[in-house]
Amino acid sequence: EAQVTQNPRYLITVTGKKLTVTCSQNMNHEYMSWYRQDPGLGLRQIYYSMNVEVTDKGDVPEGYKVSRKEKRNFPLILESPSPNQTSLYFCASRSGGSGANVLTFGAGSRLTVL
Amino acid sequence: DAKTTQPNSMESNEEEPVHLPCNHSTISGTDYIHWYRQLPSQGPEYVIHGLTSNVNNRMASLAIAEDRKSSTLILHRATLRDAAVYYCILRDVFNSGAGSYQLTFGKGTKLSVIP
Repeated sequence: EAQVTQNPRYLITVTGKKLTVTCSQNMNHEYMSWYRQDPGLGLRQIYYSMNVEVTDKGDVPEGYKVSRKEKRNFPLILESPSPNQTSLYFCASRSGGSGANVLTFGAGSRLTVL
Repeated sequence: DAKTTQPNSMESNEEEPVHLPCNHSTISGTDYIHWYRQLPSQGPEYVIHGLTSNVNNRMASLAIAEDRKSSTLILHRATLRDAAVYYCILRDVFNSGAGSYQLTFGKGTKLSVIP
């Protein structure tokens, strides 16, 4: 089944403890992206990657890092999490060609930083 | 990206048609209109997209105004499973620049379906 898989789905951590949220897709998509969703603010893009070793900042990149060493994986790294990074995170991917720009999203990772 | 305007919320009775409006008065000639929806506790999912002509698929229909400044997502018979937040998004697919693959989500329209 074509899908985007995120782990963990739920995580409670403490301020300053580094964590990584993994994202993997099995559709050979070139483009991958991370979003965060907060009440009243909709979905905001954190980082995106147009292909292996190509990443760029979205609208709210502060406090996050990403890497794209392999096509299928796009981990989101919080080096020193803070409470304002408590949020629902979504990873998404799509193929690189022009046209529909249809994104496939993961099920989400709910992160709580105490 | 050109901006879209959607009502914050709408209600529909089950098994009745639903028309979800979206205004995009600053749309450019190469902007596609996309609709995604997000069911409770799930990630967003693609619904439909179009450029100029009306579009139909198994999930919904998309009606695009002749001047393209507005569009309407039509659910022909709303079910309880259609209760979700619906996002209308514009994307210039012919822009080959670095940001060309971004989709910017607004706050969407929360659709409630009444049994």
